Amino acid sequence: NAGVTQTPKFQVLKTGQSMTLQCAQDMNHEYMSWYRQDPGMGLRLIHYSVGAGITDQGEVPNGYNVSRSTTEDFPLRLLSAAPSQTSVYFCASSYSLGANGLDGYTFGSGTRLTVV
Amino acid sequence: EDKVVQSPLSLVVHEGDTVTLNCSYEVTNFRSLLWYKQEKKAPTFLFMLTSSGIEKKSGRLSSILDKKELFSILNITATQTGDSAVYLCAVARAGGTSYGKLTFGQGTILTVHP
Repeated sequence: NAGVTQTPKFQVLKTGQSMTLQCAQDMNHEYMSWYRQDPGMGLRLIHYSVGAGITDQGEVPNGYNVSRSTTEDFPLRLLSAAPSQTSVYFCASSYSLGANGLDGYTFGSGTRLTVV
Repeated sequence: EDKVVQSPLSLVVHEGDTVTLNCSYEVTNFRSLLWYKQEKKAPTFLFMLTSSGIEKKSGRLSSILDKKELFSILNITATQTGDSAVYLCAVARAGGTSYGKLTFGQGTILTVHP
């Protein structure tokens, strides 16, 4: 099992460019999420999905789009990059433990994005 | 709006010391509280605490959940330099499409000196 795979690991964009951060998991997890991590702010939820075809917004969704056409993949699209989107992005996945909620999310290794 | 607050924000200790990290929370329809350790890269899962499991222990690490007072603590005894990391607390909601959402605190930066 590869776990949660994120690509690319590093990316530099110019303001206004668009790009897609890829996330794939091979654990058949239902739940997948995207977080961004900025210094002193912990991780903030951008978008999440509870299954194929179902997505919802998190705390900081503006400027980002997602889709979940398969269980395995959950790409994050930056529509028009801005310097404020410079951050480290983490994708995570989990399966449900039913009444006990989620198992601890498994995180990908992150994408460090710089927008100049 | 869900809220998770960790304290202290940073902590410097020497090897062998015992540390206590705090996490308080306000969340609608609480389901579970999770602790993560983050070194250079991705957070790694430590514990999950729920109504049916309010105390967890693994080696030198232990954690408790107080659902009445809405806080959790993470204890690390006999600290080692390898414990140096950012420790993150997160809470998960229950119900509907909120089921997959985690709200994180700011993290506590722990530095353990030899």
